[in-house]
Amino acid sequence: GENVEQHPSTLSVQEGDSAVIKCTYSDSASNYFPWYKQELGKRPQLIIDIRSNVGEKKDQRIAVTLNKTAKHFSLHITETQPEDSAVYFCAAQGSARQLTFGSGTQLTVLP
Amino acid sequence: DTEVTQTPKHLVMGMTNKKSLKCEQHMGHRAMYWYKQKAKKPPELMFVYSYEKLSINESVPSRFSPECPNSSLLNLHLHALQPEDSALYLCASSQDWASVKAKNIQYFGAGTRLSVL
Repeated sequence: GENVEQHPSTLSVQEGDSAVIKCTYSDSASNYFPWYKQELGKRPQLIIDIRSNVGEKKDQRIAVTLNKTAKHFSLHITETQPEDSAVYFCAAQGSARQLTFGSGTQLTVLP
Repeated sequence: DTEVTQTPKHLVMGMTNKKSLKCEQHMGHRAMYWYKQKAKKPPELMFVYSYEKLSINESVPSRFSPECPNSSLLNLHLHALQPEDSALYLCASSQDWASVKAKNIQYFGAGTRLSVL
C-alpha cells in the first residue's frame, strides 16, 4: 500500500518568514495530493491540493510543488502569520483510492 | 455548503455501554468515511462507504459497527469499547470515491471526542 513520510515533525519560524514542509510517497500510481491544516481541537481543513499532472499550484501565500519522478511534494507558506500556527498533514491518494496521511508537522509562528 | 455535521461533540461511556455516533452531509456526496484520530497523530481510516455500500473495513474490531442508512447519513455504533478506544472520531465525505479520475477531496466534520472509562 501507499506510505507517506512527512518532515519535519515540528517547525518554528519567525512571523514573516517562510515555512516549508516536505512529504515523500511510495505508490507511483498516486495521482492526488492534498494538504490539510488542523488547528487545536478543530477539524482538518483542506488548504491546497495538487494533481499529478501539475508541477506547482499557488493560492495567495500558500504553494504546493510536486516532483513525480522523485515522488515528493512540498508545502510552502510565505509571509507566515501567527494564525498559520497549526498541525499540517500531507496526504496522497494512491491506487487503493483512500487517502494516506503523513505523520503531521506542528508549525509554530513566533510573533 | 461544505458542511459535515457530527453529533455528539463529546461522549463519555463505560466499557459496557452501547452508544452511537452520527454524521450527516447534504452535499450530494456518495462516499463517506470514518476516521479515528489520537492526539498529535494523523487520522487513521476505519471505514469507507461508497454509494451506501461498505467498501473498506481497515480491520477494525467488531466493537465498532458502521451503518449507512442513506446517502446523507453515516452512523458508528459502539459497544463494549476499551479505554484505548478513547480518541477523536472524524467523519468525512467526498463526491465519489470510486472514480479513478476524480480527485478525492474529503471534507471533515468537527469530530466526536470519545472517552471510554
